[in-house]
Amino acid sequence: DVKVTQSSRYLVKRTGEKVFLECVQDMDHENMFWYRQDPGLGLRLIYFSYDVKMKEKGDIPEGYSVSREKKERFSLILESASTNQTSMYLCASRLETMAFFGQGTRLTVV
Amino acid sequence: AQKVTQAQTEISVVEKEDVTLDCVYETRDTTYYLFWYKQPPSGELVFLIRRNSFDEQNEISGRYSWNFQKSTSSFNFTITASQVVDSAVYFCALISYNQGGKLIFGQGTELSVKP
Repeated sequence: DVKVTQSSRYLVKRTGEKVFLECVQDMDHENMFWYRQDPGLGLRLIYFSYDVKMKEKGDIPEGYSVSREKKERFSLILESASTNQTSMYLCASRLETMAFFGQGTRLTVV
Repeated sequence: AQKVTQAQTEISVVEKEDVTLDCVYETRDTTYYLFWYKQPPSGELVFLIRRNSFDEQNEISGRYSWNFQKSTSSFNFTITASQVVDSAVYFCALISYNQGGKLIFGQGTELSVKP
């Protein structure tokens, strides 16, 4: 079974902190994605990566950056967390047309 | 540009009722894939179905069925004889490779099935 693991289910951070959300997949997939989920807005793509050290902006990249130093790991970075980044964050990896999702990280910025 | 629209934000039904969740998509590409995912209260997205743009056959899986119509750019999902365990948020999604293979989601429909 493909496994996509996000490092935390719940996180509480303070405004202005630098926050790292980690995602690891165990199936050697080249494509990985970070989404944020908000009520009424669905899942919105923040960034995606199609190979190591390669990244592309999604629809809402502002306030975020990413890192893909190894194929299995895709990190989402909030350089200076703000309250409007309180949300559910979902990581996914994709093989051809099949996407596999992590369990999500619910981030609260206070 | 690609877009997926789920106009129904919330639906509430009583157990054993049939319910249809609507999905309308936009893409200029001729090759694309459509998906439905279920997100139960636990939060993890569960894959339900994938359809490619060349296959318009309707599909049935137990109490679930899907109606794909290219003429109206719709990919609707029907649950027959709904059950409380069907309560979840359901997402429709689209991949089009000419757009870099991004998986684009609709806004989601929250289905509540009451006993």
